[in-house]
Amino acid sequence: NAGVTQTPKFQVLKTGQSMTLQCAQDMNHEYMSWYRQDPGMGLRLIHYSVGAGITDQGEVPNGYNVSRSTTEDFPLRLLSAAPSQTSVYFCASSYTFGGAEWGGELFFGEGSRLTVL
Amino acid sequence: DAKTTQPPSMDCAEGRAANLPCNHSTISGNEYVYWYRQIHSQGPQYIIHGLKNNETNEMASLIITEDRKSSTLILPHATLRDTAVYYCIVRVGENYGGSQGNLIFGKGTKLSVKP
Repeated sequence: NAGVTQTPKFQVLKTGQSMTLQCAQDMNHEYMSWYRQDPGMGLRLIHYSVGAGITDQGEVPNGYNVSRSTTEDFPLRLLSAAPSQTSVYFCASSYTFGGAEWGGELFFGEGSRLTVL
Repeated sequence: DAKTTQPPSMDCAEGRAANLPCNHSTISGNEYVYWYRQIHSQGPQYIIHGLKNNETNEMASLIITEDRKSSTLILPHATLRDTAVYYCIVRVGENYGGSQGNLIFGKGTKLSVKP
């Protein structure tokens, strides 16, 4: 089991460029989400998905797009990168989300470190 | 708005119990308390969660006060590898898909375990 895999691990962009951060999980999890973490801050939720074809916005969605065409993949797209999007991005998944049966465990990837110049 | 308050940092001697406090005075009856930790630059890791009763697993114990307004995470024998940022989160348990169901991470407590 690979768990949650994020690619790339490191990326440098110029302002205005676009790119996609990839996230894949092999645990057949319904729920997936993207967080960003800035120095001295906690994690802030960008977008999340409760199943294929269903996505919704989190706390800080501006400047990011997501889609969920398969259960396994949840890519995060930066349409026009800005220096304010320099951050570490974490993808997370869970077999379900909410309900009495949820054990409370989100599985996180190792992070993607993005620098926008 | 953060629903929890944690001290920004704590120290603990190796081999001693680490007791990390969390204040959640506005917690609702259907909100659970979750604890995660983040070891330097890695993705957060789930530790434990609870509703009313005290909970214990192989990693830690969670003590929730009777009025549920605060809780304490206990690492019984802290090691250097327990040095991390610890996050206390409250979340509605019975919720699927709504934004209230997401885990909202604050700044946490940076625990430093010293030899």
